[in-house]
Amino acid sequence: GDSVTQMEGPVTLSEEAFLTINCTYTATGYPSLFWYVQYPGEGLQLLLKATKADDKGSNKGFEATYRKETTSFHLEKGSVQVSDSAVYFCALRSGGGADGLTFGKGTHLIIQP
Amino acid sequence: NAGVTQTPKFQVLKTGQSMTLQCAQDMNHEYMSWYRQDPGMGLRLIHYSVGAGITDQGEVPNGYNVSRSTTEDFPLRLLSAAPSQTSVYFCASSTPGSSAVANTGELFFGEGSRLTVL
Repeated sequence: GDSVTQMEGPVTLSEEAFLTINCTYTATGYPSLFWYVQYPGEGLQLLLKATKADDKGSNKGFEATYRKETTSFHLEKGSVQVSDSAVYFCALRSGGGADGLTFGKGTHLIIQP
Repeated sequence: NAGVTQTPKFQVLKTGQSMTLQCAQDMNHEYMSWYRQDPGMGLRLIHYSVGAGITDQGEVPNGYNVSRSTTEDFPLRLLSAAPSQTSVYFCASSTPGSSAVANTGELFFGEGSRLTVL
């Protein structure tokens, strides 16, 4: 079955540091890939997505590139802020007719001033 | 624009009690689903629906029932609550997406319902 593996953390960085959160996946067919963010006490919000190989999703300074050859979708940001502190989930959606996303376990990111 | 609305936000039950978590969306989305979120487990799919009158099981369906009588509503029922069902529950909806091959539509989530079973 489908699966997503991401570093669990917590990941603690100083403000303005470079961020990478690794995400690799196993899936049949041609999945779409997503990063969701969950701020404390809130639901999940879509951060960015990519629907085919070599696509780059970007939003709010975050980027991730769909790498089919390495089955990866790593999240990056050049300079993080305290407001980026949250839990980040990598997820995929396969073309099997089912609705659900398959999520990684989430990475708790803590940015210190 | 309300999006996906879940009620209640918080609930405490005793073992064996029943309850229904409500979910409504106003985006005319065909797909709706329920997830539970547990520490160290990420989100796991409980049940989903691809349209009114159609439901199916996800990864962890045991102990939960769903129905989809309208496009807008997708309630989740716990018939006899157990402590193992203590969790945060999220409802989500989506469109099918634009690709005929891959289901590319993003999910829109509610704010969550925190359930404690004593």
